[in-house]
Amino acid sequence: TQLLEQSPQFLSIQEGENLTVYCNSSSVFSSLQWYRQEPGEGPVLLVTVVTGGEVKKLKRLTFQFGDARKDSSLHITAAQPGDTGLYLCSSSASKIIFGSGTRLSIRP
Amino acid sequence: NAGVTQTPKFQVLKTGQSMTLQCAQDMNHEYMSWYRQDPGMGLRLIHYSVGAGITDQGEVPNGYNVSRSTTEDFPLRLLSAAPSQTSVYFCASSETINQPQHFGDGTRLSIL
Repeated sequence: TQLLEQSPQFLSIQEGENLTVYCNSSSVFSSLQWYRQEPGEGPVLLVTVVTGGEVKKLKRLTFQFGDARKDSSLHITAAQPGDTGLYLCSSSASKIIFGSGTRLSIRP
Repeated sequence: NAGVTQTPKFQVLKTGQSMTLQCAQDMNHEYMSWYRQDPGMGLRLIHYSVGAGITDQGEVPNGYNVSRSTTEDFPLRLLSAAPSQTSVYFCASSETINQPQHFGDGTRLSIL
């Protein structure tokens, strides 16, 4: 059974700081998605990574897929209060599963 | 654009009652799934379906049943509600198992 481990579980930083959160598995990902969820809403897709070593950028967010396709990271540059939320990684083998998430809080 | 529609948005049940959470999508997606999310936690997979007539168990299937008689609909049934089933339930769909999922707005369920 593939499990996705996300770290850290919680992160509270000052506005303007940089941060990185991680998603790891003991199994190889076929593809991996990152979602952000805000309170009272369903998760919303940020990005999909497919190729080992792939790097994708979405404004201040940089997503990296490990060369072996067993890990991924999300780096946020100059965090803003609007980045606050629960960040979830997701992958699929025979079914789609999610990690437990990183809850990010940005202090003004 | 309706996307994924979940009903009801809120529900309070008494222990032992049964009910069905409805989920419908209008995108002709083959893959549909149900998750529960407990406070401060990620999403745990309850049941999923890769197409009409096909369903399978996820990580936490006990106490829940599903069926997929059409591509559009994927209802989740609680057979005999228990307080441990108090949670927020999300339905999601995607074109295939390897595509990103589209989520409904969730059903907030309380079991007293």
